Amino acid sequence: RKEVEQDPGPFNVPEGATVAFNCTYSNSASQSFFWYRQDCRKEPKLLMSVYSSGNEDGRFTAQLNRASQYISLLIRDSKLSDSATYLCVVILISSGSARQLTFGSGTQLTVLP
Amino acid sequence: ETGVTQSPTHLIKTRGQQVTLRCSSQSGHNTVSWYQQALGQGPQFIFQYYREEENGRGNFPPRFSGLQFPNYSSELNVNALELDDSALYLCASSNRQGPSYEQYFGPGTRLTVT
Repeated sequence: RKEVEQDPGPFNVPEGATVAFNCTYSNSASQSFFWYRQDCRKEPKLLMSVYSSGNEDGRFTAQLNRASQYISLLIRDSKLSDSATYLCVVILISSGSARQLTFGSGTQLTVLP
Repeated sequence: ETGVTQSPTHLIKTRGQQVTLRCSSQSGHNTVSWYQQALGQGPQFIFQYYREEENGRGNFPPRFSGLQFPNYSSELNVNALELDDSALYLCASSNRQGPSYEQYFGPGTRLTVT
């Protein structure tokens, strides 16, 4: 079983739609949680951190449920520029105390005009 | 831009050869992590360097090795290249003393092994 699993996608949605991505993680010792965005042939970029209390950044809302080991990302009023791959990320403290980012395989979103 | 730079941008090597990839971290960051991203997959953790020492390693064989220099820049070396080593290699810099453990990625080196 993969340590971080995401919806396989792809998601093709019209402009203005609301879309939700889900992610589960297997290691209960995971310490920090993030969503990254990766454009085609580019590096991943931090979109937002995820907290148990939930957090919102404009049209984006992220939620963490530690009991269920579940992370979500909601995008409201989708824009063409939201088209990208969204990566769910957890941080584990590996042997040697390295803070290791563990990525899901990503979910591809295409927003259609 | 994150301020993290990598070189070269693209590289083509033959199976069995050796390759060295380079990374300069963002100013103020003292930790460098390396990741391998195969096509259609998320990045996979290779190892992390802090204070010029490896302080964590993912599930990669010993032919993947690295260095960190006093200025916090880093190298990734891969010996005896295999076809499956073809991937995007990303380095990420961070500040170990930072509160959020955020890592900032460079643009990557795309390695093709033929």
